[in-house]
Amino acid sequence: SQTIHQWPATLVQPVGSPLSLECTVEGTSNPNLYWYRQAAGRGLQLLFYSVGIGQISSEVPQNLSASRPQDRQFILSSKKLLLSDSGFYLCAWSWSSGTDTQYFGPGTRLTVL
Amino acid sequence: AQSVTQLDSHVSVSEGTPVLLRCNYSSSYSPSLFWYVQHPNKGLQLLLKYTSAATLVKGINGFEAEFKKSETSFHLTKPSAHMSDAAEYFCVVSEVRRRALTFGSGTRLQVQP
Repeated sequence: SQTIHQWPATLVQPVGSPLSLECTVEGTSNPNLYWYRQAAGRGLQLLFYSVGIGQISSEVPQNLSASRPQDRQFILSSKKLLLSDSGFYLCAWSWSSGTDTQYFGPGTRLTVL
Repeated sequence: AQSVTQLDSHVSVSEGTPVLLRCNYSSSYSPSLFWYVQHPNKGLQLLLKYTSAATLVKGINGFEAEFKKSETSFHLTKPSAHMSDAAEYFCVVSEVRRRALTFGSGTRLQVQP
């Protein structure tokens, strides 16, 4: 079976500090990977998706970037955090072909002070 | 373009009574439709998925949803609410030509004892 991990679970960072959130998937090869942000009281916004190593598509221009250094690893980064970057960050995966169902990780709660 | 409208931001029911969470969608193509559930500070869990095989879709935990093309609706129901059903529910649409899922704004379900 497939498992998706995210860490850290919670993070409190000062404005202007860097960010690195990690997501890994087990039990599958060449998955599609996604980063979403959920702001308080709002729905999910797709930030980035990746169909393979080094292949990143950005959905929304912002202060964040994503990388995929390995097949099942997806990293969300920032050089300088803004207050508006606070939120709940969710990683998801889907099979590379066929079904479009996405499976979500447990999420990371980021608070920027 | 695709979109999802969840008609109620909050729904409150008594334990043991039926649940109805309403969702209307808009899509240029034959969509896939999903319902996800999110418990506080947790990731999203897939409840059920519609992919045109059958208009009545049964999911986990006793939930089901009916696809009505003429009404562009995909309402989620459960015959008898349980306290553990209290959570946020998201209606989601996906189109074959797009990798992104489009999320509704969510419906918070409260279950009163």
